[in-house]
Amino acid sequence: SAVISQKPSRDICQRGTSLTIQCQVDSQVTMMFWYRQQPGQSLTLIATANQGSEATYESGFVIDKFPISRPNLTFSTLTVSNMSPEDSSIYLCSVLGIAYNEQFFGPGTRLTVL
Amino acid sequence: AQTVTQSQPEMSVQEAETVTLSCTYDTSESDYYLFWYKQPPSRQMILVIRQEAYKQQNATENRFSVNFQKAAKSFSLKISDSQLGDAAMYFCAYRSAGFFGNEKLTFGTGTRLTIIP
Repeated sequence: SAVISQKPSRDICQRGTSLTIQCQVDSQVTMMFWYRQQPGQSLTLIATANQGSEATYESGFVIDKFPISRPNLTFSTLTVSNMSPEDSSIYLCSVLGIAYNEQFFGPGTRLTVL
Repeated sequence: AQTVTQSQPEMSVQEAETVTLSCTYDTSESDYYLFWYKQPPSRQMILVIRQEAYKQQNATENRFSVNFQKAAKSFSLKISDSQLGDAAMYFCAYRSAGFFGNEKLTFGTGTRLTIIP
């Protein structure tokens, strides 16, 4: 299975600021994803991070609010822009395993917006 | 669009006993994957078990097994010999089997499992 790390593990931010979350995988992967888990809720896909091209966003999520980069096959960033308290969530990076029928998750970033 | 339903927000079981978590899903697709993930308080999502829809045999991983009923669109998780470390939030998830753009996981709302010593 892939080993995934995320930075930061948690942060407390002020309203109106932006935070960039990093996701690093220990091996090259084809597909990388960003999920959001609001307090007490299930996981919702924000976008698929595409290497060398713009991310593919799910309904309800836009690039201006959640810009994503993926410069290579092992690294991606998610930025949460112009934050409000409603953005307080856990943000999780996920990758598709080599076997294709497995999807692994990073440890998550717990974001609190004041 | 696919939906996943977990009707048990909370479950509890005595240590060493067996517990079954329920999951139903709705899809018009014939080929797909189903997963159970565990999320302990550390919030790390851990893959517990997966099932390919084309396989009739139920998946088993040590103390974890599933009862996959394709016609009924049911995918329950059985945990045998429950241990304190099994306490966590359990999510059922669905994924299409097609390539390129169908890798999105759709999650249920989760079941919080408590193990009673």
